[in-house]
Amino acid sequence: GQQLNQSPQSMFIQEGEDVSMNCTSSSIFNTWLWYKQDPGEGPVLLIALYKAGELTSNGRLTAQFGITRKDSFLNISASIPSDVGIYFCAGQSNTDKLIFGTGTRLQVFP
Amino acid sequence: GAVVSQHPSRVICKSGTSVKIECRSLDFQATTMFWYRQFPKQSLMLMATSNEGSKATYEQGVEKDKFLINHASLTLSTLTVTSAHPEDSSFYICSGDFQETQYFGPGTRLLVL
Repeated sequence: GQQLNQSPQSMFIQEGEDVSMNCTSSSIFNTWLWYKQDPGEGPVLLIALYKAGELTSNGRLTAQFGITRKDSFLNISASIPSDVGIYFCAGQSNTDKLIFGTGTRLQVFP
Repeated sequence: GAVVSQHPSRVICKSGTSVKIECRSLDFQATTMFWYRQFPKQSLMLMATSNEGSKATYEQGVEKDKFLINHASLTLSTLTVTSAHPEDSSFYICSGDFQETQYFGPGTRLLVL
C-alpha cells in the first residue's frame, strides 16, 4: 500500500533539545495528522491540520500543513523523556482513509 | 471522549485456527471503522474499511475471505482471521471515525504458532 515518506527515520537527542521531523507525499492531501505511538499501543492523535499553510500548536508541539498540500512538519520543543516513542504523520484526502508515514522513532536521553 | 477499545489485547493461537478480534467505540457511535495491520518496526497499513450495516471495503491485496469483517452495530466491529498462519502474526489496530477524526484502539497482538 501507499506510504508517505517521513524523515528522519530515527532520532537520538538529549533532554531539552528541540526536535523536527517532516513528511512528504507525491499526492495532495486535504488533512494532515500527526500521531504518537508508544510500544504495544495504538496511535494517539497529537495535532490535526485542515488547511494549507496552517500552523497549529499543542503545548510543546507545533505542526504545519505545507502550502503545496504535499508535506507537513512537526516540531517538539524542549524535549522530555516521555516524548520517547514513534511519531507518524498521516494524510487524508477526500475519503476517510488515512495514509500513514513511515514513522520517526524518537529516543530522548536524560 | 472518543475512546476505542479492543479485545483481546493479545492472543496466541495454533496454525489453522480462527481468531476473532473485537473493536468497540465506547462513547460514540461509529458508522465507519477501520482495520489496520502493523508488522514490527513498520507503519500502519490499512486493511479494510468497515461500514455499519453493509459489506466492508478491502484494500488491494487483502483477502476478504481470510479477514472477515462484521460491523453489525454502531459501536462494534469484529475482525476474524480465518485459518491463521504464522505469517498472519502481527499487531492489529482498529479505529473509529468520530467528527471526521480517527481514534485508534490499543491494538491486538496476534501470534500464530
